[in-house]
Amino acid sequence: TQLLEQSPQFLSIQEGENLTVYCNSSSVFSSLQWYRQEPGEGPVLLVTVVTGGEVKKLKRLTFQFGDARKDSSLHITAAQPGDTGLYLCAGGSSNTGKLIFGQGTTLQVKP
Amino acid sequence: EAGVAQSPRYKIIEKRQSVAFWCNPISGHATLYWYQQILGQGPKLLIQFQNNGVVDDSQLPKDRFSAERLKGVDSTLKIQPAKLEDSAVYLCASSTRGRTWDSGANVLTFGAGSRLTVL
Repeated sequence: TQLLEQSPQFLSIQEGENLTVYCNSSSVFSSLQWYRQEPGEGPVLLVTVVTGGEVKKLKRLTFQFGDARKDSSLHITAAQPGDTGLYLCAGGSSNTGKLIFGQGTTLQVKP
Repeated sequence: EAGVAQSPRYKIIEKRQSVAFWCNPISGHATLYWYQQILGQGPKLLIQFQNNGVVDDSQLPKDRFSAERLKGVDSTLKIQPAKLEDSAVYLCASSTRGRTWDSGANVLTFGAGSRLTVL
């Protein structure tokens, strides 16, 4: 069974601080995606990484896919209250289209 | 384009009652997913359809849950009888084998979910 473990599960920080969320697995994935979910809504895709070692930047967010395609990280620089939400990593299989989610990281950014 | 539509948004039932959720995916999306999300946790895949065929239902509690996707378009997820632990948000998502598929990535678009409370 493929599992994705995210850490930390909860994070409460002050506006302006930096943070990193980790997503680890013992399985290899063909792609790794990060989603953000707000209360009462479905997850919304932030980024997809498909190549081992790949780094993508989205404004203040930096995403990295591990060389072995088993892990990923999300780094936020100078967090803002608008970044508050549930961050989910998801591992994908190109053979089946199956997408497995981690348990999520709840981020709270205080003004 | 219109998003993934789900209904109802909220449902409260007594344990042992039945409930059904409906999902209409984005037009042309061949793959449809049902996920169960317990409060504060990540979504857990219940069932995945490719057109009207089941690709994966390994985590669907088949003694009480059933799902169908007749005609390969919209889908219904049913729970009968419901248990207290079924209280969760049921998310529907759809995807298509577009240009991103060749790169190994499968991008899902989610609906807003149906929140079930079992008393």
